[in-house]
Amino acid sequence: KQEVTQIPAALSVPEGENLVLNCSFTDSAIYNLQWFRQDPGKGLTSLLLIQSSQREQTSGRLNASLDKSSGRSTLYIAASQPGDSATYLCAVLSGGYNKLIFGAGTRLAVHP
Amino acid sequence: GAVVSQHPSRVICKSGTSVKIECRSLDFQATTMFWYRQFPKQSLMLMATSNEGSKATYEQGVEKDKFLINHASLTLSTLTVTSAHPEDSSFYICSASAGGGTGFSDTQYFGPGTRLTVL
Repeated sequence: KQEVTQIPAALSVPEGENLVLNCSFTDSAIYNLQWFRQDPGKGLTSLLLIQSSQREQTSGRLNASLDKSSGRSTLYIAASQPGDSATYLCAVLSGGYNKLIFGAGTRLAVHP
Repeated sequence: GAVVSQHPSRVICKSGTSVKIECRSLDFQATTMFWYRQFPKQSLMLMATSNEGSKATYEQGVEKDKFLINHASLTLSTLTVTSAHPEDSSFYICSASAGGGTGFSDTQYFGPGTRLTVL
């Protein structure tokens, strides 16, 4: 059974810091891995999607890496801003029928 | 980009009543739609997967008679919470995929969610 774990559960940093969010999964047989952002009481915004054959993806200040063999992914946020404050969710596409398995998320607070 | 809407965004109902939540794909045909449930500070849990024109596939532990899912068209799926109780209070999120549910990187587009509160 696929399980996804995210560490840390919560993080508070001053503006401008570079930070790393971690995601691990138990079954390396995945099709892809996605990082999402969720603002309080809102739906999900897809940030980055890494196919199983890829090592990393970049979008602006965000960089996500994938080490499928070790079951790990990291999301790197450069020069954090207060607008980055949100919950970041990691999800792996595993099994049939597009089944996404989510981690519990990392709640990020960036203070001025 | 692909847009998915949900209606209503918030609903409050009395215990014992039924509530219907709609999920629409606005600019693409969604052959597969997914319903998730999220408790505060917890992850999204997949409740069921539905393909247009066929019965939904429910995840283990999800009562299909309580959470009725209908995917009658390629742009609309509905989730009806029957005889709602306070423990059904949660955030319900749908997603839609244009793929055929093969499991190969068909992108899911998420709706904004519906907050259900059962008094």
